[in-house]
Amino acid sequence: AQSVTQLDSQVPVFEEAPVELRCNYSSSVSVYLFWYVQYPNQGLQLLLKYLSGSTLVKGINGFEAEFNKSQTSFHLRKPSVHISDTAEYFCAVSTTSGTYKYIFGTGTRLKVLA
Amino acid sequence: ETGVTQTPRHLVMGMTNKKSLKCEQHLGHNAMYWYKQSAKKPLELMFVYNFKEQTENNSVPSRFSPECPNSSHLFLHLHTLQPEDSALYLCASSPRRPLNNEQFFGPGTRLTVL
Repeated sequence: AQSVTQLDSQVPVFEEAPVELRCNYSSSVSVYLFWYVQYPNQGLQLLLKYLSGSTLVKGINGFEAEFNKSQTSFHLRKPSVHISDTAEYFCAVSTTSGTYKYIFGTGTRLKVLA
Repeated sequence: ETGVTQTPRHLVMGMTNKKSLKCEQHLGHNAMYWYKQSAKKPLELMFVYNFKEQTENNSVPSRFSPECPNSSHLFLHLHTLQPEDSALYLCASSPRRPLNNEQFFGPGTRLTVL
C-alpha cells in the first residue's frame, strides 16, 4: 500500500522569500509523484509531476520539485513567492500500473504575507 | 465549455432530501472519479469508472449512489444524507491508460447537509 505524508499543515512566508513544502511517501512498488494546487473555491490543478528520468522536475508558476528515492521525498520549492501563490498544495502518488489509484496527502496551506 | 465542469457549485439539503451532483468532462477521457474533500483530511476517493463501468467503490455508504451513463458524464445521487457528509465533492477524469496518469479536476460542489 502507498501513503503520503505532508508534515506541515500551514506554511506562512513573506512575499519574495523562498519556500519549501515537504512531502514524504511510502510505497513498496514504483510510483509516480505529483503536486497539485487548489486555489480557493476551485478544484485541483496539476503543478508538476515526476514519472521517470531527471529527478529535478520543473512545473508551472515557477515551482520545481526534486525526487529523492533514498529519502522517499518529493519536496516542492519556489525561489521567490508571490501573494498569488497563496493556496493549498497537495502531494500525491499513484502506482505505475494497475488501477492507477491516487493517494493524496492532507495538504499544506501556503500563506504568502505582504 | 472546456475541461471538467460540475453542477451545482453549492448545494444545501436536508437529511430527508434527494439530490444529484453532475459532472461533465470535455476532454475525451474514459475514466472518471468522485472524491470527497473534508477539512483536515486527505482527499478520499469514492468511486472510479472506466468506460462507464464502475471499477472501484471505496466502502462508500449506500446513501451515495453513482451513475455513469457515458464516458463524458458522471452523477452522484444523494439521499438521506447525514451532517457529516457535508464536504466538497470533486469530480476528476483521466485517460483510461494514461501515459502520465494526470487527473483533471472540476471545481467541486460544496455540499451542506442540515
